[in-house]
Amino acid sequence: AQSVAQPEDQVNVAEGNPLTVKCTYSVSGNPYLFWYVQYPNRGLQFLLKYITGDNLVKGSYGFEAEFNKSQTSFHLKKPSALVSDSALYFCAVRVPGLISGGYQKVTFGIGTKLQVIP
Amino acid sequence: DAGVTQSPTHLIKTRGQQVTLRCSPKSGHDTVSWYQQALGQGPQFIFQYYEEEERQRGNFPDRFSGHQFPNYSSELNVNALLLGDSALYLCASSFAGITDNEKLFFGSGTQLSVL
Repeated sequence: AQSVAQPEDQVNVAEGNPLTVKCTYSVSGNPYLFWYVQYPNRGLQFLLKYITGDNLVKGSYGFEAEFNKSQTSFHLKKPSALVSDSALYFCAVRVPGLISGGYQKVTFGIGTKLQVIP
Repeated sequence: DAGVTQSPTHLIKTRGQQVTLRCSPKSGHDTVSWYQQALGQGPQFIFQYYEEEERQRGNFPDRFSGHQFPNYSSELNVNALLLGDSALYLCASSFAGITDNEKLFFGSGTQLSVL
């Protein structure tokens, strides 16, 4: 079974400061890891993914994430937070490969609310 | 290029009733997955459809069923509604080809309230 843990319900950061949203995962084999963002009354939007290669991946809106295999972590980071970054952030995992023509299911964490304070 | 569209946006039902939710995937996508997002929770995988067949299923009872049509659109049906079925139901589409199949595109969801 695969799972994702987001240990912080909420992260508060001052505008202009760096931010980190934490994620750890559990999966058999090599993981595909993702971050999605959800704004109020909206669906989830893809931010970035780790498939293979460089442990530091860059995504949309200046976000990046660092894959750490030994710590089974995939923390989301941004050097300088904006008020508009305030939203709900979800970490997600799946195993590689296809199954019966479709891809393996994606498992999401519970989400972390990011509040950027002006 | 239209993204993933879901209808209706909001729905109110009473216990025991049946409901059908609809999803049109992003143009060029052939795979549709449905997720249930309860208040304060992350999306929970219900099932996935590809080539008009259910390919994978999450831990949901048989009251939850679905269908995919030849144009790749999909429906989610829930029978004998319970209060606990109240949630945001999200549809996500993707392309099962070799490239770029890792990213899910989500609709804005259908907010279902069961009274």
